[in-house]
Amino acid sequence: DAGVIQSPRHEVTEMGQEVTLRCKPISGHDYLFWYRQTMMRGLELLIYFNNNVPIDDSGMPEDRFSAKMPNASFSTLKIQPSEPRDSAVYFCASSLASPSVLREQYFGPGTRLTVT
Amino acid sequence: AQRVTQPEKLLSVFKGAPVELKCNYSYSGSPELFWYVQYSRQRLQLLLRHISRESIKGFTADLNKGETSFHLKKPFAQEEDSAMYYCALSGNTGFQKLVFGTGTRLLVSP
Repeated sequence: DAGVIQSPRHEVTEMGQEVTLRCKPISGHDYLFWYRQTMMRGLELLIYFNNNVPIDDSGMPEDRFSAKMPNASFSTLKIQPSEPRDSAVYFCASSLASPSVLREQYFGPGTRLTVT
Repeated sequence: AQRVTQPEKLLSVFKGAPVELKCNYSYSGSPELFWYVQYSRQRLQLLLRHISRESIKGFTADLNKGETSFHLKKPFAQEEDSAMYYCALSGNTGFQKLVFGTGTRLLVSP
């Protein structure tokens, strides 16, 4: 298994443009998470899905951010319009709905977003 | 509310020195605590979890409910331990999200 797959790995865009980040979770995993990593705030949970349904989006910073999971093997995080302060590394992670003691999140390599 | 505090952004030690990365938490119930690590150019990955009471790569962490702490320790640091370390917390009833601290960068110098 290749693990969680994210694309693109790097994205450079101009302010005001739409950005779409993509994630393929590990096959069979029930949960999918989107995180944002910055120097100042560390790792912040943006939103997570269970069986393709959004469960908690309280971490989504603004209406400019949206996330979808149309099926069990694909999710997108969209920023429209993008702003320089959105520059960060965005991680996707997935996990199984197993007994809590085994709960472990598997992270993708991240997408480094730069908005100029 | 759940909260994880890692007071040190950077911890710099020499090879062979003891290491302690601090983590304090706030949670009204009985939490599950984890340490995740991100080595340079690698994915964030689970290092250890308190419930397993394990030692991974020489690291241990003990949950102290009285002090609400889960500090990560290693008696003799190695250069390959240099990485970003995140402490994370989750409630232990049902499935709940992980709340991460802001991370501590450990730098081990030769």
